[in-house]
Amino acid sequence: GQQLNQSPQSMFIQEGEDVSMNCTSSSIFNTWLWYKQDPGEGPVLLIALYKAGELTSNGRLTAQFGITRKDSFLNISASIPSDVGIYFCAGLRSSNTGKLIFGQGTTLQVKP
Amino acid sequence: DTAVSQTPKYLVTQMGNDKSIKCEQNLGHDTMYWYKQDSKKFLKIMFSYNNKELIINETVPNRFSPKSPDKAHLNLHINSLELGDSAVYFCASSVRDRGRTDTQYFGPGTRLTVL
Repeated sequence: GQQLNQSPQSMFIQEGEDVSMNCTSSSIFNTWLWYKQDPGEGPVLLIALYKAGELTSNGRLTAQFGITRKDSFLNISASIPSDVGIYFCAGLRSSNTGKLIFGQGTTLQVKP
Repeated sequence: DTAVSQTPKYLVTQMGNDKSIKCEQNLGHDTMYWYKQDSKKFLKIMFSYNNKELIINETVPNRFSPKSPDKAHLNLHINSLELGDSAVYFCASSVRDRGRTDTQYFGPGTRLTVL
């Protein structure tokens, strides 16, 4: 089946450091999304990418849609304690069905 | 508040029972989804409805039956619950905007524990 390989699986960093995580696939996706999930909550959309090569920022977060349409990355600059959570990439092959394929998640811990 | 809401938040039940989880969205969206998140946090889509019509039905046991009485509601009924059904179930919704049905907003989840 379709899979997204997300790495790293977990990160433990110092407050103020920059963070980078990525997602790769063997299949082409037409849309890439990045979500964050806090404990006990549902995933919350951070950034949506619709075009190959697109680079989009949301505050300290920056994400890019890979040129090959098979990968995406998310950067977080100057991390703060509230950045703690699980970050998921998700890809959409067909916008008609809305069938999102999720990566395995990156668990981020930030040490104050 | 405008949001996707689910009830109950927690559900603990015995094996073999039948239970339902309700989902409502007041965002005016026309598409709703059910996802299952396992103990390893892996999220997998189960079902999707667009305007009360089933459009995605992944390989899910037929003990799981979604029901959409209207565009704003998508309920999940589970018969003969099994231990492996224990997970967190998320409802989500989205709008088909200019041909794109991708920005999905998730509910807070229902943690189901089958004993």
